[in-house]
Amino acid sequence: QVQLQESGPGLVKPSETLSLTCIVSNDSFSRVNYFWSWFRQPPGKGLEWIGSIYSTGDTINNPSLKSRASISIDTSKNQFSLKVNSVTAADTAVYYCASEARVRGTGPFHDFWGHGTLVTVSS
Amino acid sequence: DIQMTQSPSSLSASVGERVTITCRASQRISTLLNWYQHKPGKAPKLLIYDASNLQSAVPSRFSGSGSGTEFTLTISSLQPEDFATYSCQQTFTSPYTFGQGTQVEVK
Repeated sequence: QVQLQESGPGLVKPSETLSLTCIVSNDSFSRVNYFWSWFRQPPGKGLEWIGSIYSTGDTINNPSLKSRASISIDTSKNQFSLKVNSVTAADTAVYYCASEARVRGTGPFHDFWGHGTLVTVSS
Repeated sequence: DIQMTQSPSSLSASVGERVTITCRASQRISTLLNWYQHKPGKAPKLLIYDASNLQSAVPSRFSGSGSGTEFTLTISSLQPEDFATYSCQQTFTSPYTFGQGTQVEVK
């Protein structure tokens, strides 16, 4: 069982940088077939995948954020982080972190999630 | 990007009823389709991966089927704890994309 917990400011001003951290339980980063992912869900809309990172620091990102999003990882602290710069009201959403399992013979799937944290972009 | 379309967007059902939700992909995605359940303020929960594989500890009343472009999630006998929103997700190619969600409400 993997436990994840998001943390970060709930209010960010327009044009500033949104920063969130996800703390992962135990020694989960040692799992060789896991990536670590960020998602968001704007009010009244569906889920959107932001990107994923491996323990080596290799990332894959959703082009929809036009390179405004960056994901980093600190395995010594059992955490990975998300930064989204130049935010606007459209970035207001519940942000989730999750584990991404890559099991041989299947596609990727996200088996454990944090509870999510609401980030509002407003002056 | 691959577009995922769920139907219906919402439904009302009673405890004990059989519920079916459909998800269609804008292009063929083999069986690389996952289903999630989410409730407000709670962590989303993986139900089905790879179209038809039941995630560990998920009740057997949940099942998934399909391949290519059309997929279904079935709840064989709806229970009180199943009133929630259900979303499909394709992981055939990046960017991973989701359907808009189907809200299952009490009739």
